[in-house]
Amino acid sequence: DIQMTQSPSTLSASVGDRVTITCRASQSISSWLAWYQQKPGKAPKLLIYKASSLESGVPSRFSGSGSGTEFTLTISSLQPDDFATYYCQQYGGPFGQGTKVEIK
Amino acid sequence: QVQLQESGPGLVKPSQTLSLTCTVSGGSISSGDYYWSWIRQPPGKGLEWIGYIYYSGSTYYNPSLKSRVTISVDTSKNQFSLKLSSVTAADTAVYYCARDRVGGYGMDVWGQGTTVTVSS
Repeated sequence: DIQMTQSPSTLSASVGDRVTITCRASQSISSWLAWYQQKPGKAPKLLIYKASSLESGVPSRFSGSGSGTEFTLTISSLQPDDFATYYCQQYGGPFGQGTKVEIK
Repeated sequence: QVQLQESGPGLVKPSQTLSLTCTVSGGSISSGDYYWSWIRQPPGKGLEWIGYIYYSGSTYYNPSLKSRVTISVDTSKNQFSLKLSSVTAADTAVYYCARDRVGGYGMDVWGQGTTVTVSS
């Protein structure tokens, strides 16, 4: 079974910082990867699909890259609304364990 | 605007079967463009993908849950359902249903989630 591993588990950052989250798959998943944002008590929200395609309505400060086994989610300039937990997911498969982005 | 709404008992006894339904409104569950998924989140923990169903009835399950999970679809009611058998306290979670776009385009519409507690 494929496993997804995110790093770091927690990230402390300030408004305006550039933030990068990494997701690694235990075997190649091509570009079959999505990124989700979740805020407390809410359902997750799709940010990125097919590793690098920005979902409609998602701010352009979010970007995704990678293929095969290593992927990254980058927030170019962290905004107050971005403090949340982020998950990667292999399409039709497991999620990573999540990365909580906290206020520094 | 498509909306999804989970429904079902909030309390299930250990060893019994958890049953939830997701009602799709504002769109047809029979569209060939989507899979219909279940995801859960134990308290304070991360997301776990449970499985999905296509309108035709084809299913795909998380291997770790496959022996206990059944997902079914009722196109006449525009609903799909989850059954999880032999539940334990470890199955206590918020359960979400979601629309998953065929072709790797991600889960773009989610229900609000429903909390299920397994306890005697």
